[in-house]
Amino acid sequence: QVQLRESGPEVVKPSETLSLTCTVSGASLSSSDYYWGWIRQPPGKPMEWIGSIGYSGSTYYNPSLRSRFRISVDTSSQRFSLKLASVTAADTAVYYCARQRGTAFPTIDFWGQGTLVTVSS
Amino acid sequence: QSALTQPPSASESPGQSVTISCTGTSSDVGGWNFVSWYQHQPGKAPKLMIYEIDKRPSGVPDRFSGSKSGNTASLTVSGLQAEDEGDYFCSSYAGRNNWVFGTGTKVTVL
Repeated sequence: QVQLRESGPEVVKPSETLSLTCTVSGASLSSSDYYWGWIRQPPGKPMEWIGSIGYSGSTYYNPSLRSRFRISVDTSSQRFSLKLASVTAADTAVYYCARQRGTAFPTIDFWGQGTLVTVSS
Repeated sequence: QSALTQPPSASESPGQSVTISCTGTSSDVGGWNFVSWYQHQPGKAPKLMIYEIDKRPSGVPDRFSGSKSGNTASLTVSGLQAEDEGDYFCSSYAGRNNWVFGTGTKVTVL
C-alpha cells in the first residue's frame, strides 16, 4: 500500500523559509510512472495545487502562484521536499503531499494526511 | 485559475441517493476527461473514489458513480450509508501537470 507522510515545522515566522518533506513508502520515487506533488489548503478555502516533480527532477508549478516555491526530490531516501520562501500569513495552510499516477492519463491517487503550518511571529 | 464550484452541503437519509456537482470551465472539467472525486474524513488522507470521470479504484463500492456533461461533473452516492459521511471534493486536470480542485461538499447522512 502506498503511503505518504508529511513532516516539518508547525510554526514558521513571517519572511522565513518554510521547508516540508514527504516520505514515501510502497512506491518508488525512481519510477517514471509517477509525479510527486504538493497541495495546500488555507483555512476555509479550497485545495490549491502547488506543483510536482518527476523522478528526473523535472518540475511543474501552478502558473497562478508566485515563484516562491521550490520542489526537489531525493530518490535514494524516498523523499521529496517543498520550500517556500518569504512566507506571510497568507501561506498558513494544511500542506499535503500526493502522488500523480501517469502522464497520458493522469490521476492523483494517493495523498498524505496533511500537516498544518501556521505563519506567525 | 479558479476553484471548481461545488455545493457546500448535501444530505439524505440512509438508503437514498445524493448527487454532488462540480462545475468548472472548458479549460479544466470541460476540456479534459481527468476528473476525480475524493472522500476526505477528519484526520485522514483524502481517498480517491472516482477517477477519469467514472472509473472506480479497486475497493471502492459500486454505490459510487461519476459522470460529466459539458463543464460539470457529478458524483452520485447510491444506497447512502452512515460511513459515507464526510467531505467530498472534485479535482480536474488543467493541462501541463496542473490541477484545480473543488470547493468541497459536506455530505451528511440524516
